[in-house]
Amino acid sequence: AQKVTQAQTEISVVEKEDVTLDCVYETRDTTYYLFWYKQPPSGELVFLIRRNSFDEQNEISGRYSWNFQKSTSSFNFTITASQVVDSAVYFCALSEANNAGGTSYGKLTFGQGTILTVHP
Amino acid sequence: NAGVTQTPKFQVLKTGQSMTLQCAQDMNHNSMYWYRQDPGMGLRLIYYSASEGTTDKGEVPNGYNVSRLNKREFSLRLESAAPSQTSVYFCASNAISTDTQYFGPGTRLTVL
Repeated sequence: AQKVTQAQTEISVVEKEDVTLDCVYETRDTTYYLFWYKQPPSGELVFLIRRNSFDEQNEISGRYSWNFQKSTSSFNFTITASQVVDSAVYFCALSEANNAGGTSYGKLTFGQGTILTVHP
Repeated sequence: NAGVTQTPKFQVLKTGQSMTLQCAQDMNHNSMYWYRQDPGMGLRLIYYSASEGTTDKGEVPNGYNVSRLNKREFSLRLESAAPSQTSVYFCASNAISTDTQYFGPGTRLTVL
């Protein structure tokens, strides 16, 4: 069975600090997908990134970066120079492909979420 | 292009009442899903529909039924609501070409 663990329940930082959100996953499949979603106080879920299990390249998008390490089953998310608008709940999620190179039908397994509060 | 829409946004029910949550997407996605979000537990999959005409149980299907009315619409029904079903319900649809899931705004349901 799949499992996603976000050990940090809450993180509090001051604006401009860097912050890393941890995500550790478990799966028996060799083909899978990892995601990060942001849930701001308004409640909607905003897609941030998708990474497949064959692509271990780290990715940077503006102030956001993601570190995927298959060897440690981790997919960590770093926000550089945090801002108050980054305050939200962040979810890591995992889905398995239904066959080699196939789609997962999107059955996501979510972590418990990390509440990030950025103080001015 | 509205994406994924859900109705209602809020609902209060009494124990034993029934209701249907509606979801529609205009992105021509094949797959659709219902999740519930409870404090400290992330989101959990209730039911999903991989394609029009098919539905399957997720992690927490008990107490719910679904209908995939057509490619656009996927409804979730509570036949006899219980306080344990107090939650925020999210509908989502999946773009198979990118395997990325997009979520609706959610329905906050309270069962008294």
